[in-house]
Amino acid sequence: DGGITQSPKYLFRKEGQNVTLSCEQNLNHDAMYWYRQDPGQGLRLIYYSQIVNDFQKGDIAEGYSVSREKKESFPLTVTSAQKNPTAFYLCASTSRRVSTTNEKLFFGSGTQLSVL
Amino acid sequence: EDQVTQSPEALRLQEGESSSLNCSYTVSGLRGLFWYRQDPGKGPEFLFTLYSAGEEKEKERLKATLTKKESFLHITAPKPEDSATYLCAVWGSGGYNKLIFGAGTRLAVHP
Repeated sequence: DGGITQSPKYLFRKEGQNVTLSCEQNLNHDAMYWYRQDPGQGLRLIYYSQIVNDFQKGDIAEGYSVSREKKESFPLTVTSAQKNPTAFYLCASTSRRVSTTNEKLFFGSGTQLSVL
Repeated sequence: EDQVTQSPEALRLQEGESSSLNCSYTVSGLRGLFWYRQDPGKGPEFLFTLYSAGEEKEKERLKATLTKKESFLHITAPKPEDSATYLCAVWGSGGYNKLIFGAGTRLAVHP
């Protein structure tokens, strides 16, 4: 079945540690996104990528980094510079490049990151 | 500034008690308004896309409608399994390409 796989489902970060969240899709989609979700708030965009080896910052990119070495994969690293990382992280994708799309996003099942 | 506002924040219904959720939006050149359902600890699940004022979409007990300024998600005779958070989103304008989400409405349907 086609879809987006996020792992792990739960992740714990220690002080000063970098952690990486995995996102893999087999939908052959061009564009991929990372959103952060906090209780009572809308989803906020961290980074997005329209093509391999290219990505753009979203609204809250500070303390995060990404890579897009393969079309199928868009991992997110939460660095030690992100002082409030506890949140639910969602990866999403869509088939067209974002500048022209009017299509929906497909979402993964999410990763809950907590600080120890 | 592009914006999506959902109301109410939370809604409690008795099973069978119909109601509506509201999504107000401000964006230049609507490229689609999307409704998603999200269960706790899971990713959003797509429900509907609406593209132009007057458009309506239905799925089981849910019906989504669109005007030039807002969208409604009507829930007819809800069941406990309809309990979830419902999210509304629009594509942003002005070259900043992101799907802008409202904060959602938490719906609880009690037997």
